Amino acid sequence: TQLLEQSPQFLSIQEGENLTVYCNSSSVFSSLQWYRQEPGEGPVLLVTVVTGGEVKKLKRLTFQFGDARKDSSLHITAAQPGDTGLYLCAGVRGYGGSQGNLIFGKGTKLSVKP
Amino acid sequence: GAGVSQTPSNKVTEKGKYVELRCDPISGHTALYWYRQSLGQGPEFLIYFQGTGAADDSGLPNDRFFAVRPEGSVSTLKIQRTERGDSAVYLCASSLEGRSTDTQYFGPGTRLTVL
Repeated sequence: TQLLEQSPQFLSIQEGENLTVYCNSSSVFSSLQWYRQEPGEGPVLLVTVVTGGEVKKLKRLTFQFGDARKDSSLHITAAQPGDTGLYLCAGVRGYGGSQGNLIFGKGTKLSVKP
Repeated sequence: GAGVSQTPSNKVTEKGKYVELRCDPISGHTALYWYRQSLGQGPEFLIYFQGTGAADDSGLPNDRFFAVRPEGSVSTLKIQRTERGDSAVYLCASSLEGRSTDTQYFGPGTRLTVL
């Protein structure tokens, strides 16, 4: 059972277009993280959202955490070829100090064509 | 400074063989994590070390998988009697203290192929 569902699984767009990637779950997470992974490399953390309803911006990327802390979205404005990669959301379960267990979605493979 | 490193980068083995995968975390990081990423999937948690001890090994799929971190730094993931289904990229990550607010830094992974 996939605890975190990401959609779409694949996305191919032209440079300059906008896009949104979704991460949904029936479980509540204490926080949600978004990573970007390129071929042959490990995932790199982009952002962590903690508070329900929180919105964070990172240049052309906007991240939102749902009010109930069960879902999140990533919006990219004016996509560029350098944005190409695998975008993963990951949920941090539980509260307190331990971060022993990240639950990852399957990822969204984004291709931005020049 | 150096990031997380993993060796070997690629490992090809035959079904039934034993393999060891090594992870060198970022210096000073007390928490270390192993994940497995199969083709078309996100990383799947295997085991988490806090110092020398395994704080959570609930993700290990069966008793053929074992990991150690004897001195609280380098970790080795050991797989006995490998099966074709073990083929995947094995990722290691480390974080400063393993707190929920700490960033996990990932290595490039070891691609394991079991023939």
